[in-house]
Amino acid sequence: KQEVTQIPAALSVPEGENLVLNCSFTDSAIYNLQWFRQDPGKGLTSLLLIQSSQREQTSGRLNASLDKSSGRSTLYIAASQPGDSATYLCAAVMYSGGGADGLTFGKGTHLIIQP
Amino acid sequence: NAGVTQTPKFRVLKTGQSMTLLCAQDMNHEYMYWYRQDPGMGLRLIHYSVGEGTTAKGEVPDGYNVSRLKKQNFLLGLESAAPSQTSVYFCASSYSTRGYTFGSGTRLTVV
Repeated sequence: KQEVTQIPAALSVPEGENLVLNCSFTDSAIYNLQWFRQDPGKGLTSLLLIQSSQREQTSGRLNASLDKSSGRSTLYIAASQPGDSATYLCAAVMYSGGGADGLTFGKGTHLIIQP
Repeated sequence: NAGVTQTPKFRVLKTGQSMTLLCAQDMNHEYMYWYRQDPGMGLRLIHYSVGEGTTAKGEVPDGYNVSRLKKQNFLLGLESAAPSQTSVYFCASSYSTRGYTFGSGTRLTVV
């Protein structure tokens, strides 16, 4: 059974800092890995999707990397802003051959950017 | 706006009552999912569907039933609600495994 772990569980940093959120997974036979953002009381917003054949994806100030062999992914946020405050979720997708089995989520990193 | 719509957004049930949560997507996605989110437990898959007329169990299916009679709709039913089913429920859809779109959630309280 795939297990996804996110470290740290919570992080508080001053505005402007670059930061790294970590995600690890136990089964390296993933189909892809996705990072989401969740604001309090809201749904999930997709940030980046990395296919298993890729090593990284970038969107604006966000960069996500994937190392299947070590079972790790990182989300790098450059020049953090107070608006980046949210919970960030990492999720792995396994493909069973008969269809998608859905996402296996980590418990998230609660990020606070101090103005 | 294209996306995933969940109804209702909030609901309070008494123990033993039944209800159905509706998820609708207009992106012609084949795959649809129901998750629940609980503090300290994260998001867990309840049931999913890989196409019209198909359903499959996820990680925590007990106490729930689902139906996918139309491609765009995925219904989650609680036949006899229990306090342990108090949670936030999220529906998602995807085209194969190319990325997922989530609804805004249904906050359910069972008293």
